[in-house]
Amino acid sequence: EPEVTQTPSHQVTQMGQEVILRCVPISNHLYFYWYRQILGQKVEFLVSFYNNEISEKSEIFDDQFSVERPDGSNFTLKIRSTKLEDSAMYFCASSDSGGIRNEQFFGPGTRLTVL
Amino acid sequence: GENVEQHPSTLSVQEGDSAVIKCTYSDSASNYFPWYKQELGKRPQLIIDIRSNVGEKKDQRIAVTLNKTAKHFSLHITETQPEDSAVYFCAAPLISNFGNEKLTFGTGTRLTIIP
Repeated sequence: EPEVTQTPSHQVTQMGQEVILRCVPISNHLYFYWYRQILGQKVEFLVSFYNNEISEKSEIFDDQFSVERPDGSNFTLKIRSTKLEDSAMYFCASSDSGGIRNEQFFGPGTRLTVL
Repeated sequence: GENVEQHPSTLSVQEGDSAVIKCTYSDSASNYFPWYKQELGKRPQLIIDIRSNVGEKKDQRIAVTLNKTAKHFSLHITETQPEDSAVYFCAAPLISNFGNEKLTFGTGTRLTIIP
């Protein structure tokens, strides 16, 4: 069964450094998402992406964040200047269609630790 | 936007007994309600979902009920087993102008099955 994959599984970085988290969505999917989960807390929506542009973003997704689909398979989340509070698990998700009929499939996550 | 509340935050149940987790939502336009199970350190995985045109859906030991008037939905797990121990999240979508869903998650319920 196809799965969403993410790399790296764990990223440790110094405060102020840039990080890029990578995701490979399921190949025929058209809608892509990033969520984050601070340890012990709920999953929070960051951004959704469709047709090569952001379709919605949350208050968390400020100017330090950006997303890109640089080629036909990867979907990346960049944090320009990391802060301590960016430490969290970041999940990528994809769905084959928008609307209410389609499950969002989650990747295994990247644990980001900012020191 | 959507606001989803989930109760209880923790739940311990004897193996073989039933577990019930409840969620309320705020946006009356929401019409799709997934439940995700997250085992420790793993990705959220969809276990069951319900659409607003039905009041109940069952899949083996798992069932979900929906009361659109009261804006709440519940997860029922019967004949619980040790492998049911996990964190369970309810979610409700907000449909963006692009037609895709932004999922708003509840705060999660840590379910522990006592052998």
